[in-house]
Amino acid sequence: ELKVEQNPLFLSMQEGKNYTIYCNYSTTSDRLYWYRQDPGKSLESLFVLLSNGAVKQEGRLMASLDTKARLSTLHITAAVHDLSATYFCAVDDGYGGATNKLIFGTGTLLAVQP
Amino acid sequence: DADVTQTPRNRITKTGKRIMLECSQTKGHDRMYWYRQDPGLGLRLIYYSFDVKDINKGEISDGYSVSRQAQAKFSLSLESAIPNQTALYFCATSDTSGGQKDTQYFGPGTRLTVL
Repeated sequence: ELKVEQNPLFLSMQEGKNYTIYCNYSTTSDRLYWYRQDPGKSLESLFVLLSNGAVKQEGRLMASLDTKARLSTLHITAAVHDLSATYFCAVDDGYGGATNKLIFGTGTLLAVQP
Repeated sequence: DADVTQTPRNRITKTGKRIMLECSQTKGHDRMYWYRQDPGLGLRLIYYSFDVKDINKGEISDGYSVSRQAQAKFSLSLESAIPNQTALYFCATSDTSGGQKDTQYFGPGTRLTVL
C-alpha cells in the first residue's frame, strides 16, 4: 500500500531565507506532482515530475525527484510572503505508466514572515 | 468561466439526509475524480471515472456513490449522510495528452457540514 509522508508539516520562515520540503513515499512510482493550496481555495498544479532525476523550476520554487530513494524535494529560494500556502505532494499509485490514482501527502503549511 | 465547477459550494445538512454534489467541466477531459479533504489528512480519493462507462472505487468509497451522466458531468452522492462525512469535497479532471500529462485540475470545492 502506497503511503506518502511530507515533512515538515508546518514551516515558518523569514523572507529571503531558503528551505526545503520533503516528500517520501513507500512503494515504487515514477510520477509525482506538487500542488499549492491557498487558504479557502482549490489546489493549483505546480510541477509534474515524470522520471528519476527530473528537476523542474518555476520562479523561487524548484522540485526534484529521486525514484530510487523514493524522495521528492520542493526547494524554496529567497522566500517571499506570497509563497505562504499549503503545499502538497501527490504520488501516482503505479509504476511504468500512470494509474491516475493519486495518494496525497498531508501537506506542508508554509508561513513566510516579512 | 471556470473550467471545473462544483455545486453547491456550501451545504449544511442533517444526519440521514441524501445529498448530491455536482461537478461539471469544460476542459474536455475524459477522466474525473472525487476527493475529500480533512484537516491533517490531505486529500483522499473517493471515486474516479476514466470515461462514462468506467467508474472505480478509490481509497474511501464506503458511504458514497457516483454517477457519470456525461463526459462533462460527474456527481457524488451521500445516500444517508453522517457527521464524519463533514469535509471539503473536491472534483478534479485530467487527460492523457499534452505537456502536463495526467495532471489533475481541481474545482473550487464544496464545503459539506453534516449535523
